[in-house]
Amino acid sequence: GAVVSQHPSRVICKSGTSVKIECRSLDFQATTMFWYRQFPKQSLMLMATSNEGSKATYEQGVEKDKFLINHASLTLSTLTVTSAHPEDSSFYICSARGAAGSPYGYTFGSGTRLTVV
Amino acid sequence: GIQVEQSPPDLILQEGANSTLRCNFSDSVNNLQWFHQNPWGQLINLFYIPSGTKQNGRLSATTVATERYSLLYISSSQTTDSGVYFCAVENDMRFGAGTRLTVKP
Repeated sequence: GAVVSQHPSRVICKSGTSVKIECRSLDFQATTMFWYRQFPKQSLMLMATSNEGSKATYEQGVEKDKFLINHASLTLSTLTVTSAHPEDSSFYICSARGAAGSPYGYTFGSGTRLTVV
Repeated sequence: GIQVEQSPPDLILQEGANSTLRCNFSDSVNNLQWFHQNPWGQLINLFYIPSGTKQNGRLSATTVATERYSLLYISSSQTTDSGVYFCAVENDMRFGAGTRLTVKP
């Protein structure tokens, strides 16, 4: 089946530093990947849609200069949280869609728990 | 954008009981998925179900696209079924608020 690998699973960083999160589709090509954040006991909020070879599409209210998304290949998208602050602490999850007609729909990474201290 | 509503928000069951979770959506969708989020945050894909009915062991799902709802059935619930169940619609992958299920031994 379709597998999405997300790293790191946990990261603690100091306020003001940047953190990069990687999302890889291991056994399929993903022209589109999605990035979500989830606060405790809440649902997943779509942050942005990452398109291979083009700029990401950000949801309203998401700062594109703070959450940099790069989708340089068909199997890798990265999310960089720049100048992180404690309020950026959250659970970040990526997902990728398989090929058209795939029975797997969207597959999610295992998530990254970011703590900014 | 499309609205996704899940009910009930919370559900407490005794082990062995059956349950039905519902997902309503406000507009036509190309597809719909059900997920189980385990205590570690991992989203487990349960069903990819644009319409009709699918079954996988004790779980089954039915989507009636023309009436804009989907149902997830859990039979003979087990403590390991505990967690949050989400539905998400494919057009732009919007998630409902989830149903938090607790199965007590």
